[in-house]
Amino acid sequence: QSVLTQPPSVSGAPGQRVTISCTGSSSNIGAGYDVHWYQQLPGTAPKLLIYAHNNRPSGVPDRISGSKSGTSDSLAITGLQAEDEADYYCQSYDSSLSGWVFGGGTKLTVL
Amino acid sequence: QLQLQESGPGLVKPSETLSLTCTVSGGSISNSSYYWGWIRQPPGKGLEWIGSIYYTGPTYYSPSLKSRVTISVDTSKNQFSLNLNSVTAADTAVYYCASQYYHDTSAFFDSWGQGTLVTVSS
Repeated sequence: QSVLTQPPSVSGAPGQRVTISCTGSSSNIGAGYDVHWYQQLPGTAPKLLIYAHNNRPSGVPDRISGSKSGTSDSLAITGLQAEDEADYYCQSYDSSLSGWVFGGGTKLTVL
Repeated sequence: QLQLQESGPGLVKPSETLSLTCTVSGGSISNSSYYWGWIRQPPGKGLEWIGSIYYTGPTYYSPSLKSRVTISVDTSKNQFSLNLNSVTAADTAVYYCASQYYHDTSAFFDSWGQGTLVTVSS
């Protein structure tokens, strides 16, 4: 059971918008610790997608965005493309565990 | 852009120690803005943070693995290492090393190695 909860799967048709939630608690997201998002394409290492809730590293398209609300964060992908099909993970710091934690991951399927 | 490369045995016997090394290139492991971390991923499962180290030595470990993990750093070789003792089949996973950019209370993994599969089996 992950400290950060993500839906196991989401799906959308090409061109649509999908969101992936990451729900935490008062010891992580609710405590003000930043949330970061990673994309893992099949058979590859994870890649940083969003850092500190809503910042994109160089090279990440602006159709990908992040937002925070209370003890949850969300990743939004608009204009869905086949290349977006991957696993997505959120990550933060948890003060109760005194360490960094990942969400369980969400598999995005492009229909 | 930092490059990281894991190295070590791909097969470890139960009850023995898993040892991996991560070689960093394209930058110094003594960069004060970075921690250096290990993350693993069992086959078909999600990511699990194992632990992180700062170049001066402070270490941070996952509570669930703390009793079995040691992470060390060798600044002269621009490398950091993972030792996980008393391994079982549950430790079979792809092990990644990663650079962890740190600012204030925020720390994220911005460069990753390609990962190395370690299988625990007799």
